[in-house]
Amino acid sequence: DGGITQSPKYLFRKEGQNVTLSCEQNLNHDAMYWYRQDPGQGLRLIYYSQIVNDFQKGDIAEGYSVSREKKESFPLTVTSAQKNPTAFYLCASSIVPTVNTEAFFGQGTRLTVV
Amino acid sequence: KQEVTQIPAALSVPEGENLVLNCSFTDSAIYNLQWFRQDPGKGLTSLLLIQSSQREQTSGRLNASLDKSSGRSTLYIAASQPGDSATYLCAASPFGSQGNLIFGKGTKLSVKP
Repeated sequence: DGGITQSPKYLFRKEGQNVTLSCEQNLNHDAMYWYRQDPGQGLRLIYYSQIVNDFQKGDIAEGYSVSREKKESFPLTVTSAQKNPTAFYLCASSIVPTVNTEAFFGQGTRLTVV
Repeated sequence: KQEVTQIPAALSVPEGENLVLNCSFTDSAIYNLQWFRQDPGKGLTSLLLIQSSQREQTSGRLNASLDKSSGRSTLYIAASQPGDSATYLCAASPFGSQGNLIFGKGTKLSVKP
């Protein structure tokens, strides 16, 4: 089945530790996105990538980093510089980063600082 | 800057009722508007995508409309069922956004048996 796979489903991070969230898609989509969801707030864009080896910052990129070495993969690293990382992280993809394309989402990773 | 608002934040209805969820956006310069469903602790499932040139889209018991001039979209759910209980999110894709979406905070729907 085609889709977006995020792993792990739950992740625990100690203070000062970097962690990486995985996002893989087999939809052959060019564009991939990372959003953060906090209780009572809408989803907010962290980073996005339109093509391999290229990515741009979203609205809340501070404390995060990404890479896009392969079309199907867009991992997100939450660094120690992110002061409030506890949240639900969602990865999405769409065919091309232009008009009228439907976005598809993974099942999310819940990150908790312990 | 585009802002998306969903009212009400929560809604409870008896099974079988027809209902409307509302979504408003501040800037009509959008490529499309998309409705999603989110179950607790899960990702987003795409329900309907309305392109900027369209007025409505239908899928089964769901019908979404778009009125760009008034900055409004509605999601109509016919003959609601307990399985429809979830949070419904709308998201607009603004011009120049390169596919990024601006989300509302969602409406949490509860359908009582």
